[in-house]
This record gives sequence, C-alpha cells and structure tokens, in this order.
Amino acid sequence: GIQVEQSPPDLILQEGANSTLRCNFSDSVNNLQWFHQNPWGQLINLFYIPSGTKQNGRLSATTVATERYSLLYISSSQTTDSGVYFCAANTGTASKLTFGTGTRLQVTL
Amino acid sequence: GAGVSQSPRYKVTKRGQDVALRCDPISGHVSLYWYRQALGQGPEFLTYFNYEAQQDKSGLPNDRFSAERPEGSISTLTIQRTEQRDSAMYRCASSLVGTTTEQFFGPGTRLTVL
Repeated sequence: GIQVEQSPPDLILQEGANSTLRCNFSDSVNNLQWFHQNPWGQLINLFYIPSGTKQNGRLSATTVATERYSLLYISSSQTTDSGVYFCAANTGTASKLTFGTGTRLQVTL
Repeated sequence: GAGVSQSPRYKVTKRGQDVALRCDPISGHVSLYWYRQALGQGPEFLTYFNYEAQQDKSGLPNDRFSAERPEGSISTLTIQRTEQRDSAMYRCASSLVGTTTEQFFGPGTRLTVL
C-alpha cells in the first residue's frame, strides 16, 4: 500500500511565526487530505487537495502530485494552532486513507 | 445531522466484555469508514461500507472485530471479548461515494479496557 511520511515530527513556534509542514507519499494519489487534531482530540478537516493550491485564511496547502509531496503552510501562528497535523492519502481503487505519523505543533506566547 | 456523530464518546469496560460502538454518518453520504487510533499515532483503517455492503474489512485485526450497516446509514462496530490491547480511539468517517471524495470524521469513541 501507499506510504505517507511527514516532517518534521515536532515543531515549536512562537506566536506570530510562520511554518511549513511536509508530506511525502509513495504513489500517485486519488485523495490527499490535511487534518488538524486539536488538544481535545477532534480531527478537523483542513484541506482536500490531491493536486494544486488552496488557501483558507492563514492556512494554505500545495500538492505537487507529479513529485509526490504536499506542503501545509501556517502563517502568523496562534496558540489555537497547537495540536497534531496529519496528512492522509489513498491510491488506486482503495478508498481507505493511509495516515502519516503527524507533525506535533506547539505554539507558545 | 450536520456532521458525523458517534456514541458513546467514552466507554470503559472490563476485559472479556463485548462492546458496541455506533456511528451516524452525514446525511446522504454513501461511504462509511471505521478507523482506530492508538495514542501518539495516526488513525489506521479498519473497514468500510458503500451503502449496506461491506467493501473492505482487511484492517480488522482479528475475528473478535465485526461491523455492520444494515440499512445503509447507521453503522455499529462490535468488539467481542475485549482485551486491554483494544484500548484506543475508534473513529468513524463518511464521504460521498468513490475514492476521490473527501472524508469527514466524527468525534470518536475513546475505549478503555481494564
């Protein structure tokens, strides 16, 4: 099956800083999603982005499908951005998502 | 409802008991998925349905785990003779049909087996 790797595993930022999270995947994808798991355990959809670029407020994402990676940009980070960011993808005829191991982000004052 | 709902949100049980976890998908969503998430890890696929048909159960760890979706809407994941290693967050997701549609997750059920 598809392999999904995320980097960095951990990230500590001061409030107001910008960051880039990376997701590499081993095969062409039908679906690629970014999620934020907040400290209360909720898994929140950020982007559905199998290719191209999208923006939503301070967050944006780019997927370069031909090179098999996706990037999540967080600008002007806030303490509420803290949590774990997951990338997940599927490939071929499989509907199931394979998740990466996540990037744990802590934003400090 | 507006989103995927799951019940109970928390379940504590003793080893050897059976548990049933419920998932109510987003109205109109054909596909329903079950995932399990251990502490500190990403969710891992268990099984999924299109309508009432179970399409893939390759992620179910053993025959103590089963799932059904008899009317193509609400689904139940059942774990028989629970063991301590079954303790985890169990997440349900739903989507419009197909491999290219966005999946939306419920709040999860935190299962603790004593």
